[in-house]
Amino acid sequence: DIQLTQSPSFLSSSVGDTVTITCRASQGISTYLAWYQQKPGKAPEVLIYAASTLQSGVPSRFSGSGSGTEFTLTISSLQPEDIATYYCQQLKSHPRTFGQGTKVEIK
Amino acid sequence: EVQLVESGGGLVQPGGSLRLSCAASGNSFSSYSMNWVRQAPGKGLEWVSFISYRSSTIYYSDSVKGRFTVSRDNAKNSLYLEMNSLRAEDTAVYFCTRDYEFWSGSYYYYYMDVWGKGTTVMVSS
Repeated sequence: DIQLTQSPSFLSSSVGDTVTITCRASQGISTYLAWYQQKPGKAPEVLIYAASTLQSGVPSRFSGSGSGTEFTLTISSLQPEDIATYYCQQLKSHPRTFGQGTKVEIK
Repeated sequence: EVQLVESGGGLVQPGGSLRLSCAASGNSFSSYSMNWVRQAPGKGLEWVSFISYRSSTIYYSDSVKGRFTVSRDNAKNSLYLEMNSLRAEDTAVYFCTRDYEFWSGSYYYYYMDVWGKGTTVMVSS
């Protein structure tokens, strides 16, 4: 099975800051990676797929990059509504594992 | 816009059974593969099961293999998860998700583009 390790597990930043979350895969997954945002009490929503493609309707301050085993999700100019937990997921093979999540808070 | 609505969750004793359902709106259900994903209280997301659009391909996580059975009825726009031999560690919110397939021009990519709100399963005596 492919393991995904996200870092950090928690981060606290100020409004307007640029935030970067890393997701590392235990083996190469090309660009078969998606990022999801989950707000408290809500279902997750997709932000990014194919490692760097922004889902329709998602603000352009979100971006993704990477290939192989290392990926990043960047939020440029953090907004109060971005408070959430973010998960990466690999879709290269089954089981379609998720990272453990990164909780983002406003400082 | 497609909506997914899960039902069937509840309180069940260890060793018991439960059947979850996921009803999809719209008329495109039969064209998409589907998944079940769960989230234990205060924990992260765990993928549970996948079923292709014609039910020809099915996968399970090791944690539920042999105990859970996924199925679908395309005529009823519905997805199911039959859960047997339930354990305390199966306690979670269960989400059904649509598997979107995207052709980049070179490769197929996948992601879960629609999620239901979830149904809660609690396994406790």
